Amino acid sequence: DQQVKQNSPSLSVQEGRISILNCDYTNSMFDYFLWYKKYPAEGPTFLISISSIKDKNEDGRFTVFLNKSAKHLSLHIVPSQPGDSAVYFCAASHVGGSEKLVFGKGMKLTVNP
Amino acid sequence: NAGVTQTPKFQVLKTGQSMTLQCAQDMNHNSMYWYRQDPGMGLRLIYYSASEGTTDKGEVPNGYNVSRLNKREFSLRLESAAPSQTSVYFCASRLAGAYEQYFGPGTRLTVT
Repeated sequence: DQQVKQNSPSLSVQEGRISILNCDYTNSMFDYFLWYKKYPAEGPTFLISISSIKDKNEDGRFTVFLNKSAKHLSLHIVPSQPGDSAVYFCAASHVGGSEKLVFGKGMKLTVNP
Repeated sequence: NAGVTQTPKFQVLKTGQSMTLQCAQDMNHNSMYWYRQDPGMGLRLIYYSASEGTTDKGEVPNGYNVSRLNKREFSLRLESAAPSQTSVYFCASRLAGAYEQYFGPGTRLTVT
């Protein structure tokens, strides 16, 4: 039973345009959500996060939106750059279980020059 | 700060051989984790250690053992490697009270 779902395995966008990466979750106990970025042959790196008490968090070109009623979050990258090409993982943490993260399967973003 | 380091970077084993993957962090983090990443499967938790002296099973612990040697080091052992354990293994650590985990560069393991 997959609790964190990234239903689209890949996305291709043009440089300068917006990239929107989506993530759905099934467990209503999740209270904190994170996005990680992973380049080939490297470990995942933390990108941005959001608490369930917020519906938006922004950091430079990256914005994460949370819709709790729909159990959906999205990562917006504006403007997209070729260096953003990577695999992006959505992750979630349980209430009272901050020791563990549950990861989605990842989505490969390609930004074309 | 080196962050999270893992050794080796690559390893090829024959079925039935054993090996230990090493992980160390210099960020004074309390919690440490071992994941495996397989194509189309995302990151799956094998074992974790919430604090020095404790370890717990994750989602896919079968065939693995771990040792939290001290606060800095957390090792993963394969006692009898199987082809199904061919994967990329990542170690991560987390500061108490924070949600973010910080990952090492990974070990690519092939079992033939």
